[in-house]
Amino acid sequence: GAVVSQHPSRVICKSGTSVKIECRSLDFQATTMFWYRQFPKQSLMLMATSNEGSKATYEQGVEKDKFLINHASLTLSTLTVTSAHPEDSSFYICSARDPRGSVDEQYFGPGTRLTVT
Amino acid sequence: AQSVSQHNHHVILSEAASLELGCNYSYGGTVNLFWYVQYPGQHLQLLLKYFSGDPLVKGIKGFEAEFIKSKFSFNLRKPSVQWSDTAEYFCAVKGDAGNMLTFGGGTRLMVKP
Repeated sequence: GAVVSQHPSRVICKSGTSVKIECRSLDFQATTMFWYRQFPKQSLMLMATSNEGSKATYEQGVEKDKFLINHASLTLSTLTVTSAHPEDSSFYICSARDPRGSVDEQYFGPGTRLTVT
Repeated sequence: AQSVSQHNHHVILSEAASLELGCNYSYGGTVNLFWYVQYPGQHLQLLLKYFSGDPLVKGIKGFEAEFIKSKFSFNLRKPSVQWSDTAEYFCAVKGDAGNMLTFGGGTRLMVKP
């Protein structure tokens, strides 16, 4: 199946700083990528849909100025958490939609654990 | 808007027991249905999916799920679980408008050896 990677896998940052998380589709071109947030022992919550070459679509309640998404190429989307605070500590997961298949399937990255101190 | 509910939050079984995890969704149109598994320390993996056709879908590792349209359900089953099935299981729905996946709250399965 298709492979999606994320970098870094873990990051610790100080309150007030910004952190960038990368999501890459390794063996396919993804016109659409998704960013999720997973709180401990909870399900995934969709934050935004990232479309190559256009602005991301944010879900209700997600601050677009705080969570900056850039989908500059068909294999890379980035999520930047700006002015991070301890409440932003979470597990961030991206997925990418593989348009080659006959069915609509998303492939998930391994996630990035962000800890803000 | 679509929504998904998984009724069992935690399930504990002994090896060789049968498993059924409930999943109900709410959506007025055509749906695509998925079950994902997240093993400890690993990322989400697709177990199986339903798009159309036979409502009984077989996935990897002996799992299957049945789509019952009248009940808006897509329950996951396995006749005999193994210790290695210990993981968290997520049901997800995609409606016919857009690409968005909506996840259920997840069910944490622990299989005792």
